[in-house]
Amino acid sequence: EAAVTQSPRNKVTVTGGNVTLSCRQTNSHNYMYWYRQDTGHGLRLIHYSYGAGNLQIGDVPDGYKATRTTQEDFFLLLELASPSQTSLYFCASSVSTEVFFGKGTRLTVV
Amino acid sequence: QQKVQQSPESLIVPEGGMASLNCTSSDRNVDYFWWYRQHSGKSPKMLMSIFSNGEKEEGRFTVHLNKASLHTSLHIRDSQPSDSALYLCAASITGNTGKLIFGLGTTLQVQP
Repeated sequence: EAAVTQSPRNKVTVTGGNVTLSCRQTNSHNYMYWYRQDTGHGLRLIHYSYGAGNLQIGDVPDGYKATRTTQEDFFLLLELASPSQTSLYFCASSVSTEVFFGKGTRLTVV
Repeated sequence: QQKVQQSPESLIVPEGGMASLNCTSSDRNVDYFWWYRQHSGKSPKMLMSIFSNGEKEEGRFTVHLNKASLHTSLHIRDSQPSDSALYLCAASITGNTGKLIFGLGTTLQVQP
């Protein structure tokens, strides 16, 4: 099965802090995604990419930056974290018709 | 407004019963649909996909798609307690299959 690894799995940071969430996939998939999942809002797409150096804006990009450094690695950056960014973050990858999710990172901003 | 709407929000069925979940898109540019299942504390995993009008069956799971009405449904027969989970419907926009839009999901509880 396709492997998508996220780190860290849990993170607590303070308001205004700087956070980087990491994601690596070893499936040679072109597409990679960052989603956040919140009760009442479901899974919402933050940013996605279809290859190294490419970045596409998702549906809820405000307050987030992302970088795709290689085919395998996709990072999500929160430069001034706010409590509204407390959420469960999923990274995912896909090649065509199926999206594979990582196990998630639970981020708490206090 | 949610571009992908799911109903019901939650559903309780007895073990061995039939569960029926619905999903509709309000975006006429949607073309393909997927169903994902997410057990509590886990990540979503794809259950089934459907791209053409009609029906597709895999074991106890059947999906229907009506592209004219942009409506898909998932039916689970002989429901098991292990089927208890959040079921997410996802859709892609024509020409951009890389971007999936998810509904809020249906929480299914199968009671032994």
